[in-house]
Amino acid sequence: SQTIHQWPATLVQPVGSPLSLECTVEGTSNPNLYWYRQAAGRGLQLLFYSVGIGQISSEVPQNLSASRPQDRQFILSSKKLLLSDSGFYLCATSRDGYEAFFGQGTRLTVV
Amino acid sequence: KNEVEQSPQNLTAQEGEFITINCSYSVGISALHWLQQHPGGGIVSLFMLSSGKKKHGRLIATINIQEKHSSLHITASHPRDSAVYICAASFQGAQKLVFGQGTRLTINP
Repeated sequence: SQTIHQWPATLVQPVGSPLSLECTVEGTSNPNLYWYRQAAGRGLQLLFYSVGIGQISSEVPQNLSASRPQDRQFILSSKKLLLSDSGFYLCATSRDGYEAFFGQGTRLTVV
Repeated sequence: KNEVEQSPQNLTAQEGEFITINCSYSVGISALHWLQQHPGGGIVSLFMLSSGKKKHGRLIATINIQEKHSSLHITASHPRDSAVYICAASFQGAQKLVFGQGTRLTINP
């Protein structure tokens, strides 16, 4: 069975600082990988998804970027955080768009 | 357009009540997921459905493919069931999951 490791669980960062959130997957190969964000009081919004190494699709324009340096590693980054980047970030994986697995999420507060 | 709608957005009930949360989607799916998110934020996958009905303890999930509708039921609800329940769909031919807005459930003792 697949397992997703996402860290850190919580993070407080000042405005203008960089960000790097990491997600790794075990128990599968060539998964589809996703980064979602949940702003306060809202549903989960897809930020990026990747179907393979180096392949990143962006769903919404924003201050963030994503990279997939290895098959089972997905990284969410920012060069300079904004207050509006605060939220709950969730990494997810699925294979063939079917069964999905979720990380525990990262609660980011930009101050 | 691939869309997922959940209702109600908020639900408050007394301990022991039977709970139903609804989810409808716009077009054909390959799978529908029910997830639970506790106040700390972590998400737990409850069910994955492509047809019929699944049961786990006091939780039951059903899906009607023709009507493009799924329900999550909780029998004999308990305060520890208080959480946000989210449905998410894997749409046929699409690479991504689409999430509903979530239903915030509060069970009072």
